[in-house]
Amino acid sequence: ELKVEQNPLFLSMQEGKNYTIYCNYSTTSDRLYWYRQDPGKSLESLFVLLSNGAVKQEGRLMASLDTKARLSTLHITAAVHDLSATYFCAVDIKLDSNYQLIWGAGTKLIIKP
Amino acid sequence: DVKVTQSSRYLVKRTGEKVFLECVQDMDHENMFWYRQDPGLGLRLIYFSYDVKMKEKGDIPEGYSVSREKKERFSLILESASTNQTSMYLCAASPLAGGGETQYFGPGTRLLVL
Repeated sequence: ELKVEQNPLFLSMQEGKNYTIYCNYSTTSDRLYWYRQDPGKSLESLFVLLSNGAVKQEGRLMASLDTKARLSTLHITAAVHDLSATYFCAVDIKLDSNYQLIWGAGTKLIIKP
Repeated sequence: DVKVTQSSRYLVKRTGEKVFLECVQDMDHENMFWYRQDPGLGLRLIYFSYDVKMKEKGDIPEGYSVSREKKERFSLILESASTNQTSMYLCAASPLAGGGETQYFGPGTRLLVL
């Protein structure tokens, strides 16, 4: 069964702290995406990770991919209130001749000032 | 920047009505997608299209159909709306390539079926 699991699903943290969101997936893939969604808004692409060992950073967010462990992490450094959102990971899977994204359930992140 | 627009932000329909959700993208991307988003379930793919008049079922196509008569427009049709189709509907577009391409999302349509 194709599954993408995010952990935790809900996270409340104080500003200034560090934390990591985990994304595990059940089948082989070399491509993983992280998206952000603000309440009532659509999804915004954050990172595309295209190979084993890929690491990308943007501001206080850093994403990494370990294709052997089928694991991606999204690390938040010194969190600020503006990072409060729901974060989704998605894995690119080839089904027949087409690629399809399989999505995690999302991690709702609340950062308290 | 790819721009993906959806015809309505909010819709209220009655059970049994036929519902059309329209999505338009302005960057000439081959792939277009319709998802529904429900709390705790992430995004679930309803249908996608990789070319004009081409469509593929996603994970949850039952109760839905789609139409892609022009490259820039992808319509989702609820033939006879039911209350369990109350949800947020998101349209996305991406270049064809061979995968590895970011999907760009529209603002979403929140549909309430009474």
